[in-house]
Amino acid sequence: SQKIEQNSEALNIQEGKTATLTCNYTNYSPAYLQWYRQDPGRGPVFLLLIRENEKEKRKERLKVTFDTTLKQSLFHITASQPADSATYLCALDTNAGKSTFGDGTTLTVKP
Amino acid sequence: EAGVAQSPRYKIIEKRQSVAFWCNPISGHATLYWYQQILGQGPKLLIQFQNNGVVDDSQLPKDRFSAERLKGVDSTLKIQPAKLEDSAVYLCASSPRTGEDTQYFGPGTRLTVL
Repeated sequence: SQKIEQNSEALNIQEGKTATLTCNYTNYSPAYLQWYRQDPGRGPVFLLLIRENEKEKRKERLKVTFDTTLKQSLFHITASQPADSATYLCALDTNAGKSTFGDGTTLTVKP
Repeated sequence: EAGVAQSPRYKIIEKRQSVAFWCNPISGHATLYWYQQILGQGPKLLIQFQNNGVVDDSQLPKDRFSAERLKGVDSTLKIQPAKLEDSAVYLCASSPRTGEDTQYFGPGTRLTVL
């Protein structure tokens, strides 16, 4: 069956360091993959989208990689700040626009 | 640009009661989604509309859940009768079209079934 796994439920890092979040999937052939941020009591907010034929995407301090051979995406936040503390969700998408979300990783950046 | 609106924000009901949630997507967005998010889990798609037609409702428990999107704009999601396991946040999202499009989420409705 299709499965999406995001690395450990919680990730704690020190301010200024790089946070790396992992999204692994099995039995799935996504057309593209998205990363969202979710704060408590709010809906997810889109961050980055990467297509199956792209290796890397960047936006300001954010970087996403997508390895369809390893069936893995890595999400990096460089120079992390306490304001980056949130839950980060990866979502795999088919061309029909159907998104399947992972359970998320909660990132805490300590000052 | 106004975001996706949802109401109510919170709802507490007894099991076996009925409840309805309302969603107003971003103006002009053709695709509307309803998700269920249980605490500690990611959103799970319940139903996807393209205008006023259903694209995917494969994970909607149709014996108790129903949804409609009259006129291809607003949408309502109903649960009748509710069970304890329906306690969750119900998220509505919209996107300009079906396909490779970012989804814009509303704040969600937190449902507690006692």
